[in-house]
Amino acid sequence: GAGVSQSPRYKVAKRGQDVALRCDPISGHVSLFWYQQALGQGPEFLTYFQNEAQLDKSGLPSDRFFAERPEGSVSTLKIQRTQQEDSAVYLCASSHGGGGTEAFFGQGTRLTVV
Amino acid sequence: DAKTTQPNSMESNEEEPVHLPCNHSTISGTDYIHWYRQLPSQGPEYVIHGLTSNVNNRMASLAIAEDRKSSTLILHRATLRDAAVYYCILRGYSGGGADGLTFGKGTHLIIQP
Repeated sequence: GAGVSQSPRYKVAKRGQDVALRCDPISGHVSLFWYQQALGQGPEFLTYFQNEAQLDKSGLPSDRFFAERPEGSVSTLKIQRTQQEDSAVYLCASSHGGGGTEAFFGQGTRLTVV
Repeated sequence: DAKTTQPNSMESNEEEPVHLPCNHSTISGTDYIHWYRQLPSQGPEYVIHGLTSNVNNRMASLAIAEDRKSSTLILHRATLRDAAVYYCILRGYSGGGADGLTFGKGTHLIIQP
C-alpha cells in the first residue's frame, strides 16, 4: 500500500470488552511504533518494534495492553478488559530505519469505551 | 519528559512567512531534529528533518543553530491548510524505542485569512 493503514478507524467497546487494533506498516519498514493520543494532547509513546522484536514496551500503561508483530510486518495492539480511560486515538507509525529517516503515520483508530 | 521546548501557540496571517522556534538544549551529537505536524482528526505528518546543516524541501525550511541547541521551522508562505499542531522532536541515531520519536506538546499554529 501507499501508506500506513490502520483498522478499524472507529471502535466502540463496552467496558470490560477486549479489543484488537491492527496496523499495516509500509512494506519493508523495519521500525514500528504505537502511540496513544488523548483529546487535546500530543501522542504518547506505547511500544516499539524492530522487525518482529518488541524492543521497548515502556509506555504500555498496564498489563491489559499487549502488542505483537509476529512476522515483522503487520502489528496488532490488544487491550483486554477495556476501561473508560482507555478511550483515545491509537496511532501507528513506521519508518525504514534509524533516526535519519522519516516516520509515516496512519490515520489512527479512535477507541471509545462506554 | 520531552527533550524539546516549543511555544504553546502562534498566530500568523495567510501568505506571510512563519517561523516556529524549538529549543533542545540537551541534544546529543547523534540526535536528528525532526518536525511533524498534525491536522485536526489526522495522524501526524512528516515535515522535515536535519542533523547539522540547514535543510530545504517543498514543504518548509529548517534552520539549525550552530550549537544545535535550537532550531526554527520556516513556512515561507503560510496558507490556511498549514493550520495545525507542529511538533519538534529529537530522534536518536538508532531511531528506535521511546527515544526514537517522543512527542512534546507542540505549537498550535493559527493562520488568519
